[in-house]
Amino acid sequence: DVVMTQTPVSLSVSLGGQVSISCRSSQSLVHNNGNTYLSWYLQKPGQSPQLLIYKVSNRFSGISDRFSGSGSGTDFTLKISRVEPDDLGVYYCGQGTQYPLTFGSGTKLEIK
Amino acid sequence: VQLVESGGGLVQPGKSLKLSCSASGFTFSSYGMHWIRQAPGKGLDWVAYISSSSGTVYADAVKGRFTISRDNAKNTLYLQLNSLKSEDTAIYYCARKGSANYFDYWGQGVMVTVSS
Repeated sequence: DVVMTQTPVSLSVSLGGQVSISCRSSQSLVHNNGNTYLSWYLQKPGQSPQLLIYKVSNRFSGISDRFSGSGSGTDFTLKISRVEPDDLGVYYCGQGTQYPLTFGSGTKLEIK
Repeated sequence: VQLVESGGGLVQPGKSLKLSCSASGFTFSSYGMHWIRQAPGKGLDWVAYISSSSGTVYADAVKGRFTISRDNAKNTLYLQLNSLKSEDTAIYYCARKGSANYFDYWGQGVMVTVSS
């Protein structure tokens, strides 16, 4: 199984600031078809997860351009700029390159 | 797009339960669907997938005990949970498969508690 390792476990940021979350996979996420199936999700308190980014760097419909994804192979990053109060919650990376699909353990974002 | 789960509850170890996920706002028959669960206070754990043509894939932890199925005429996804264990206690979410293997829409989740 592909193990997804997220760091940090938690972080605190001031409103308007910028944060980066790292996600590393135990194997390359490049699929045989050449695509890389790494996605990012945000679970706000008391809610179900929502898709932010898919295929490394593609923002989902309605997602602010303050969210950006990058990376390749086994190393990926989610950056959040100009942090707003509504950004708090737990961020998860997930891989869709091979079954079983797996997620990182999450990064909790708190607002200072 | 709306996904609404139902069927959760408290069940004894070894018993069974069937979850449903009612879909609306899109052509259900054209999409693969997933079940993902989240134990209390824990992270996300993928459970099972069914393609638009009803091919299935399961996590090892549930293989042989859980069965994913769909009824396209009713726009409904199912998860049959048999031989339940305490470690199956979780919120169960249904989610739509995006154009690639990601989850673009999620339901609100349904709680399953396995306890004597």
